[in-house]
Amino acid sequence: EVQLVQSGAEVKKPGESLKISCEGSGYSFTTYWIAWVRQMPGKGLEWVGIIYPGDSDTRYSPSFQGQVAMSADKSISTAYLQWSSLKASDTAMYYCVRHPPGIRSRGVVSGISTFDYWGQGTLVTVSS
Amino acid sequence: QSALTQSASVSGSPGQSITISCTGTSSDVGSYNLVSWYQQYPGKAPKLMIYEVSKRPSGVSNRFSGSKSGNTASLTISGLQAEDEADYYCCSYAGSSAYVLFGGGTKLTVL
Repeated sequence: EVQLVQSGAEVKKPGESLKISCEGSGYSFTTYWIAWVRQMPGKGLEWVGIIYPGDSDTRYSPSFQGQVAMSADKSISTAYLQWSSLKASDTAMYYCVRHPPGIRSRGVVSGISTFDYWGQGTLVTVSS
Repeated sequence: QSALTQSASVSGSPGQSITISCTGTSSDVGSYNLVSWYQQYPGKAPKLMIYEVSKRPSGVSNRFSGSKSGNTASLTISGLQAEDEADYYCCSYAGSSAYVLFGGGTKLTVL
């Protein structure tokens, strides 16, 4: 059974750093891409970026470029999303999601559109 | 790039059919057959219902179907059931700069 299990809820102060995790199981972790999706309180879904755990190739949404960093440790089938300096506006639920392979050719990533398995979400609250 | 446009809410009675639309542009929905739809219950993670415009993942009821015409994609739910009451989000590939856009979501109410 495919599972994405995320780390627990976090409460942080503005300016603090944070790294949340997403452990994949039940499939070949290095073959599928892992994306991150943000959902602010009472709002819709926003795509943050995507990482290929096989070689840590990453692509970011222009809205999130420079604001967050994605990484992966394939030895423990875990992907990460981190912030170096949190803001109150980072308060949201963050989901890790799996994306099927086949979207990279000659270094170009295209065709991202199918998020087939979702983690349970990690609620990040940033408040002074 | 802006989010895809969905109506805020739609409603229907049990047994009826409803359609949720998702309007983008010629740079996203109109250019690629890469639209997906997600169902989200309150407090839960979204679930993939339709991918690549009209394909259904294993386990998703055939009451759910997807289509696309020009810059607008649609999700149709036939034989509406109480358990279909949820939020629905569309998603489209948007090219090599924006990559992915989601719609704002549509709240489906089953009367």
